[in-house]
Amino acid sequence: DVKVTQSSRYLVKRTGEKVFLECVQDMDHENMFWYRQDPGLGLRLIYFSYDVKMKEKGDIPEGYSVSREKKERFSLILESASTNQTSMYLCASRSGSTDTQYFGPGTRLTVL
Amino acid sequence: AQKITQTQPGMFVQEKEAVTLDCTYDTSDPSYGLFWYKQPSSGEMIFLIYQGSYDQQNATEGRYSLNFQKARKSANLVISASQLGDSAMYFCAMREGEGAQKLVFGQGTRLTINP
Repeated sequence: DVKVTQSSRYLVKRTGEKVFLECVQDMDHENMFWYRQDPGLGLRLIYFSYDVKMKEKGDIPEGYSVSREKKERFSLILESASTNQTSMYLCASRSGSTDTQYFGPGTRLTVL
Repeated sequence: AQKITQTQPGMFVQEKEAVTLDCTYDTSDPSYGLFWYKQPSSGEMIFLIYQGSYDQQNATEGRYSLNFQKARKSANLVISASQLGDSAMYFCAMREGEGAQKLVFGQGTRLTINP
């Protein structure tokens, strides 16, 4: 079974803090993704990575950056958290040979 | 324009009944993939079923089947013999184009199974 884990289920941070969300997959997948999910807006892609040290912007990259130093790990960074970044963050991974993205359990981030 | 449309914000079904969740999509690309995911209240997105645009037969996975009507651009999820544990949000998603990395999601349908 594919296993995608995220470092925290719930996180509370203050405005202006630097926030790291970590995602790890154990299936040697080439591709990894970060989405945020908001009521009424669905899931929106923030960034994705198709290889180590490679990244591509998604639909809403503003205010975020990412890091992929190892194949199994993809980090989402909020350089200076703001209240409008309060959301559910979902990480996903996909192998290069299939279409299906497998998701982690999500991190509910609250920025006060 | 919406790429994925799920017209049912909520559905209520009696346990053991079959349920159909609607999904229509919009693309001009001949190569695409369609997915259904389940999201329980715990938050994780669980992959249910996949249909490729070139697949000749409708996809099935256990109690889940995908009613793929290409000409109508429809990809409805059918759950047979519903169970209480099927209560969740259900999302239809599309991968558009060969090698495309992005999935586009619909707004979701909240399914409630009544005992």
